[in-house]
Amino acid sequence: EDKVVQSPLSLVVHEGDTVTLNCSYEVTNFRSLLWYKQEKKAPTFLFMLTSSGIEKKSGRLSSILDKKELFSILNITATQTGDSAIYLCAVGLQGAQKLVFGQGTRLTINP
Amino acid sequence: KAGVTQTPRYLIKTRGQQVTLSCSPISGHRSVSWYQQTPGQGLQFLFEYFSETQRNKGNFPGRFSGRQFSNSRSEMNVSTLELGDSALYLCASSFGSGLANLPYEQYFGPGTRLTVT
Repeated sequence: EDKVVQSPLSLVVHEGDTVTLNCSYEVTNFRSLLWYKQEKKAPTFLFMLTSSGIEKKSGRLSSILDKKELFSILNITATQTGDSAIYLCAVGLQGAQKLVFGQGTRLTINP
Repeated sequence: KAGVTQTPRYLIKTRGQQVTLSCSPISGHRSVSWYQQTPGQGLQFLFEYFSETQRNKGNFPGRFSGRQFSNSRSEMNVSTLELGDSALYLCASSFGSGLANLPYEQYFGPGTRLTVT
């Protein structure tokens, strides 16, 4: 069975800290790995990674994929209270638009 | 470009009733996928439509069905509602089908919050 596991499930840090969120996966036909941020309703797309070792970056957020070890990390530097959200990792499969999601990491940034 | 829109945003139904939810993808996107989100199970894939055809289906009972129209808008229907169907139903749109060689990003709509009493 395809499986995506995120850790930690919950994280509380102070504004300005750097955080690293983890995502490991076991799927039969990997095609891509996606990160989303979910605040109130719709998950907002952050990154899609398909190649190992290539870092994707957007402002204070960055992510990298390791296809050999089957994991990805999402880094957020100089965190702000607006970064508080649930961060979802999802794996896209070959031959389908189906995404297999992890449980999410609830990140809380305290001022 | 306008994002993915879903209607209605909130719905309260009684056990045994049926419900239809609607999703309009981003302009130019032809693939629509549906997901169910609950606190216990997280986000689970329901089905994907591309060019008016269902391409993939998740592990949900036959009470869950959907369709896609020629303008790429999609509807999903749940018949004989059960209490356990209470969830946030999310629709995601992407440019291409899962059958394509390239992976496509999926963008989510705001969801429909369904409560079954």
